[in-house]
Amino acid sequence: DTAVSQTPKYLVTQMGNDKSIKCEQNLGHDTMYWYKQDSKKFLKIMFSYNNKELIINETVPNRFSPKSPDKAHLNLHINSLELGDSAVYFCASSRVHFSGNTIYFGEGSWLTVV
Amino acid sequence: TQLLEQSPQFLSIQEGENLTVYCNSSSVFSSLQWYRQEPGEGPVLLVTVVTGGEVKKLKRLTFQFGDARKDSSLHITAAQPGDTGLYLCAGAHASGGSYIPTFGRGTSLIVHP
Repeated sequence: DTAVSQTPKYLVTQMGNDKSIKCEQNLGHDTMYWYKQDSKKFLKIMFSYNNKELIINETVPNRFSPKSPDKAHLNLHINSLELGDSAVYFCASSRVHFSGNTIYFGEGSWLTVV
Repeated sequence: TQLLEQSPQFLSIQEGENLTVYCNSSSVFSSLQWYRQEPGEGPVLLVTVVTGGEVKKLKRLTFQFGDARKDSSLHITAAQPGDTGLYLCAGAHASGGSYIPTFGRGTSLIVHP
């Protein structure tokens, strides 16, 4: 059983389109995250949710909108996609909001905007 | 400004060699973590160090937390091709009442057979 699963794994889309990436965790964790990893492998946090409540929103354009219908799911919707949005997006979870506890990552969603 | 500086950025070595990767900061961290990310996958936790001066061993990997809790190192003895991957250090950075899990830029290691 995959602990943190995200779909789709690969996404190629045109500029201006709107797309969503879904994430689910079956670990019973309270906290979920979205990270963006750029072409230089820098892993930067975008959002975190704790029990469906937004905790961290790290200067991400408002074209990115996370939605947490319940604490096991955190989806990422992106409007008006731009070339610079091309990256690998990782969903992750931890038992409680990060203060040194383990973060479990999904396998990543490779987004290419053309 | 990058809170966690990792060095070297790239490392290409032969099987059997030893190596050390560094993670440095001007900030004090309550704990630091090391993750390894293999191509096409998400990062996986290797270890968490909590106490200043702490040393933890994981088979051929030795992790050390600096006395002042501002830096950490990862030493690999007799590297093997299976050690190839991106090594990331991570720490909790306090901001606005929350802790933000912050990652260094990573060290990309290639071990040639």
